Amino acid sequence: AQSVTQLGSHVSVSEGALVLLRCNYSSSVPPYLFWYVQYPNQGLQLLLKYTSAATLVKGINGFEAEFKKSETSFHLTKPSAHMSDAAEYFCAVSTGTASKLTFGTGTRLQVTL
Amino acid sequence: GAGVSQSPSNKVTEKGKDVELRCDPISGHTALYWYRQSLGQGLEFLIYFQGNSAPDKSGLPSDRFSAERTGGSVSTLTIQRTQQEDSAVYLCASSLDWRSSTEQYFGPGTRLTVT
Repeated sequence: AQSVTQLGSHVSVSEGALVLLRCNYSSSVPPYLFWYVQYPNQGLQLLLKYTSAATLVKGINGFEAEFKKSETSFHLTKPSAHMSDAAEYFCAVSTGTASKLTFGTGTRLQVTL
Repeated sequence: GAGVSQSPSNKVTEKGKDVELRCDPISGHTALYWYRQSLGQGLEFLIYFQGNSAPDKSGLPSDRFSAERTGGSVSTLTIQRTQQEDSAVYLCASSLDWRSSTEQYFGPGTRLTVT
């Protein structure tokens, strides 16, 4: 079975500060890992994905994530937060032939002036 | 091209009534997924269709829930005898193929409220 844990249901940062959203996964087989963003009253949009190529993955809107197998982590970062980054972020995993996604509980990012 | 569309965007129904939720995937996408997003349970997988293969129904919470996909395109999720705990946002997603590494594209969801 696969699972995802997101530490911190709410994260608040100042505009211009570093964004760090944490995600740890559990999987008995090599995982595929995804970060999705959800703006209010909208569906989910893919930020980036790890599919066993480069361990440092760059996504849209300046976000990136690093796959660390030894730590079973896939944390999302952005060097400088913008007000427009305020949203809910979900980490998700899929494995093998089971392409259905297992999501974490989400982290709501607040960006303050 | 158009993204994944869902209808209705909002649905209010009385407890005990049946509801149908519709999903139009991106043209050419062979895989289609239904997920449910609720305050208590977060984002949960419900059911998955891949081409002509038998659907993966392992996430359906009860036999009141069913789904079909006609002609490999449009899908309908049906909830019979709705209960208040069915209130949630139902999200549909599609992807180009069945591979686990393939990106899923999500629709805006249908917000279901059972009174």
